Amino acid sequence: QSALTQPASVSGSPGQSITISCTGTSSDVGGYNYVSWYQQHPGKAPKLMIYEVSNRPSGVPDRFSGSKSGNTASLTISGLQAEDEADYYCSSYTSSSTYVFGTGTKVTVL
Amino acid sequence: QVQLVQSGAEVKKPGASVKVSCKASGYTFTNYAMQWVRQAPGQRLEWMGWISAGNGNTKYSQRFQGRLTITWDTSASTAYMELSSLRSEDTAVYYCARHPPGWGYFDYWGQGTLVTVSS
Repeated sequence: QSALTQPASVSGSPGQSITISCTGTSSDVGGYNYVSWYQQHPGKAPKLMIYEVSNRPSGVPDRFSGSKSGNTASLTISGLQAEDEADYYCSSYTSSSTYVFGTGTKVTVL
Repeated sequence: QVQLVQSGAEVKKPGASVKVSCKASGYTFTNYAMQWVRQAPGQRLEWMGWISAGNGNTKYSQRFQGRLTITWDTSASTAYMELSSLRSEDTAVYYCARHPPGWGYFDYWGQGTLVTVSS
């Protein structure tokens, strides 16, 4: 199972919006609404930010939103803040009853 | 509150095995599956496998077939990940993560366990 494809890096100024894409296939992202997004700060465990494509767990700011079109899911951070600087990973359930993560995106707040 | 507490760092020689534990608290252990994910230094997250809620069935990534065993001790609310025939490329931080059954996400994560494979 190949990793889902994400851009290596995305940057933005405070207050701006950025979008991270996550491209898979019809056997994973395109075939299921089980796409989730995780934030990881250096040296820390990942944190769930979005589940089932567009749902936010309790406590996650509403400036984080998710969507999906075909085989590509997206995470948008609106009103970028300094504490949003981190690595972000998408994940999807697959037709093999397994999971796959994305290649990861480093978000830099300029 | 939900907590997953993993065992401490390990140093192993090539060819050896390692067993990492993940003790859960704050919820009914058998109502949730447990996933295992690893991250090599500077690399992406990599899904390894899971043990399903209730019946304890397992599913492994093909990359680890034959080397990976995930088990649990329900009386101790603890899940285990054992990886055998270790090689230097297995040096990584290993995470356990709780998985609500019927959903496709991991909502709580352990703190991670660094496994170093070196001769």
